[in-house]
Amino acid sequence: EAQVTQNPRYLITVTGKKLTVTCSQNMNHEYMSWYRQDPGLGLRQIYYSMNVEVTDKGDVPEGYKVSRKEKRNFPLILESPSPNQTSLYFCASSFRLAGLTTDTQYFGPGTRLTVL
Amino acid sequence: ILNVEQSPQSLHVQEGDSTNFTCSFPSSNFYALHWYRWETAKSPEALFVMTLNGDEKKKGRISATLNTKEGYSYLYIKGSQPEDSATYLCVFTSGTYKYIFGTGTRLKVLA
Repeated sequence: EAQVTQNPRYLITVTGKKLTVTCSQNMNHEYMSWYRQDPGLGLRQIYYSMNVEVTDKGDVPEGYKVSRKEKRNFPLILESPSPNQTSLYFCASSFRLAGLTTDTQYFGPGTRLTVL
Repeated sequence: ILNVEQSPQSLHVQEGDSTNFTCSFPSSNFYALHWYRWETAKSPEALFVMTLNGDEKKKGRISATLNTKEGYSYLYIKGSQPEDSATYLCVFTSGTYKYIFGTGTRLKVLA
């Protein structure tokens, strides 16, 4: 089954404790992206990746890191989480690069993160 | 800063009513407009992608139109059913690597 998986689905942590949210897709998609969803705001892009070893900042990258060592995986790293990073996070992928394709994105199930 | 706006933010309709909502986006540098359906506790799922001015797409009771010159798209639902209850997102792309999301219209269909 074609899918995007994220782990964990729910996480409660404390300020400053490094964490990683994993994202994996099995569709051989080139493009992957991380978004956060906050009340009253649309999904905002954190980072995206056009292919292996190629990543770039979205609109709200501060406090986050990503890596793309393999095509299927795109982990989101919070080196020192803070309470303002409490949010619902979605990973998404599409076959080719946004803006150069009309391919739609496939979304993971979301990770609800609470930073105390 | 590119901005995508959706209206209304939320609405309640009775089962069987038809409804529509609007997505406004920048009319310059348009590449594509996507509509997604997002049910509570699930992930957004693609409904349509539209690229040409005057485009119309249809999927069952849901249809969408596109006006790229004036920067808007309408989503219509005919004969709403409770299972149509969801948030409907529109997403704009301009030929860059980014997707710009609207805040969504939250639809509740009352049985």
